[in-house]
Amino acid sequence: DAGVIQSPRHEVTEMGQEVTLRCKPISGHDYLFWYRQTMMRGLELLIYFNNNVPIDDSGMPEDRFSAKMPNASFSTLKIQPSEPRDSAVYFCASSLSTGGGKLFFGSGTQLSVL
Amino acid sequence: GDSVTQMEGPVTLSEEAFLTINCTYTATGYPSLFWYVQYPGEGLQLLLKATKADDKGSNKGFEATYRKETTSFHLEKGSVQVSDSAVYFCALTMYNQGGKLIFGQGTELSVKP
Repeated sequence: DAGVIQSPRHEVTEMGQEVTLRCKPISGHDYLFWYRQTMMRGLELLIYFNNNVPIDDSGMPEDRFSAKMPNASFSTLKIQPSEPRDSAVYFCASSLSTGGGKLFFGSGTQLSVL
Repeated sequence: GDSVTQMEGPVTLSEEAFLTINCTYTATGYPSLFWYVQYPGEGLQLLLKATKADDKGSNKGFEATYRKETTSFHLEKGSVQVSDSAVYFCALTMYNQGGKLIFGQGTELSVKP
């Protein structure tokens, strides 16, 4: 299995631009999570889905952030408009409901907003 | 709400030294507890876990025991190697949270030859 695949690995953009991060979970996994990692705030859960349905988006920082999961094999996290304080590493992770809390993480997207 | 607190890093050790990274938690019920490890430039991966009080999780020479009385899950290794240099995260999940993990802030470990 290829694992959780995220793209792009690195994204550099200017303030005000739209950014879209992509994630392909492990086939058969029914949970998908989006996390953000910064030095100041550590690892924060932004949103998670179960069977493509958003369950908890309380971690989404503001309306500029949105996430979708149109099918079981694809999810996006969009930031519009982007701001310098959005600079971080964004991780996608997937898991099985029977997995006992074992999450499989992608390699992350390093986002820099100038 | 539920939370995890880890000792601050960075922790710097010489090869073959004993490692302890402290982790305590706050939860309204009986969580499952985890240690994840993040190597440079990579995502997190599960190192070990314990699902109930007095359980000991172990993997790759690392161990952690679920202590309900002290709400702790300290990570230990008897003899660290340079290849253990990474960031270690303690985490918890509740049975009714659908696998949603709450992470501590992470502890960076650097092992010198």
